[in-house]
Amino acid sequence: DAGVTQSPTHLIKTRGQHVTLRCSPISGHKSVSWYQQVLGQGPQFIFQYYEKEERGRGNFPDRFSARQFPNYSSELNVNALLLGDSALYLCASSLVWIGGTEAFFGQGTRLTVV
Amino acid sequence: KQEVTQIPAALSVPEGENLVLNCSFTDSAIYNLQWFRQDPGKGLTSLLLIQSSQREQTSGRLNASLDKSSGRSTLYIAASQPGDSATYLCAVRESAGNQFYFGTGTSLTVIP
Repeated sequence: DAGVTQSPTHLIKTRGQHVTLRCSPISGHKSVSWYQQVLGQGPQFIFQYYEKEERGRGNFPDRFSARQFPNYSSELNVNALLLGDSALYLCASSLVWIGGTEAFFGQGTRLTVV
Repeated sequence: KQEVTQIPAALSVPEGENLVLNCSFTDSAIYNLQWFRQDPGKGLTSLLLIQSSQREQTSGRLNASLDKSSGRSTLYIAASQPGDSATYLCAVRESAGNQFYFGTGTSLTVIP
């Protein structure tokens, strides 16, 4: 079985541009969460989606948005990129959106803003 | 707001040693705690999940304990190997929400 897959693995963008990151959860998992990990820090929560609805939002500006599709895959969009958006973006999937189920993470997308 | 702290930030041990990584959290109203491993520039690999009602979980050479009332968890690694070298992150999920709160991790180096 495939794990959580993210694309692309690496990305270089210029300040002010827009970026779209993609995530496919483990088959059968209906919840997808997004995290941002700046170098040397722990991941910070951005969004959680379950059954195509937003179930949680972290303390990130409105330049960050996301959505979940009927097949439970998800996109994270970031507009008007800033240098500070450079980070590893991680996607996590779990069976349900709340409760004691285990979360599994993808390999991440390394975004560099220049 | 939940805060998760991991001590030490970095640890270097000779191969074969047993070691303990520490994680503390400020709000004991957690749903569960999960330990992850992260290799440089890579994603997170789940190691152990402990529900709030459990005291410990074991997988191979790894044993994680949870003391919810004192806000602490430990990850015990037995007979360390060079392949164990990585950053270890602990994360808690609160009862009232569904997001993970992560610590900043412990960077482990096992010297052959």
